[in-house]
Amino acid sequence: GNSVTQMEGPVTLSEEAFLTINCTYTATGYPSLFWYVQYPGEGLQLLLKATKADDKGSNKGFEATYRKETTSFHLEKGPVQVSDSAVYFCALSDLRLGAQKLVFGQGTRLTINP
Amino acid sequence: DTAVSQTPKYLVTQMGNDKSIKCEQNLGHDTMYWYKQDSKKFLKIMFSYNNKELIINETVPNRFSPKSPDKAHLNLHINSLELGDSAVYFCASSQLLAGGAYNEQFFGPGTRLTVL
Repeated sequence: GNSVTQMEGPVTLSEEAFLTINCTYTATGYPSLFWYVQYPGEGLQLLLKATKADDKGSNKGFEATYRKETTSFHLEKGPVQVSDSAVYFCALSDLRLGAQKLVFGQGTRLTINP
Repeated sequence: DTAVSQTPKYLVTQMGNDKSIKCEQNLGHDTMYWYKQDSKKFLKIMFSYNNKELIINETVPNRFSPKSPDKAHLNLHINSLELGDSAVYFCASSQLLAGGAYNEQFFGPGTRLTVL
């Protein structure tokens, strides 16, 4: 079945550092790919998405490129800020008739120190 | 204006009890979902409803019964609560677009369930 694997956390960086969170997926067909972010005590928010190969999603300085050849969707940002501290989830969509099932990676907790 | 709301935010109860969590969305979406997030933050889909019809049921125990009185509401009732049910439960909604794609899923703030 479809699955998503993210790099293990937690990840701790200093402010102004460059961030990469790796994400690879296994899927039949060509799913859409997403990064969601969860700030402490809150629900998930969509950070960015890409719907086809070579698409680049970007938002708030974060970027990720849909790489079909390496089945990857790595999240990058540089430089990071303390306010980027959160849990980041990579996900793919598995379309069913009448619904869109999101398959999530295990999440990566990011802490940015001042 | 809250797009996807859940009540209650926190729920603490004893093993064996029956409890319900409510979800409402004011986005006009036709599809709603329940996800479970365990203590390690792993998120897994439980159910999905489209226009009050059950579409996805991901091997969830029969003790969990979703109910959708209309397309803006999807409630989750849990019978005979067990310790392992302790988790954060998230409701979400999305809309089928022309061409068969979906827009992003919008998530509620979550309900933290603690079973003692």
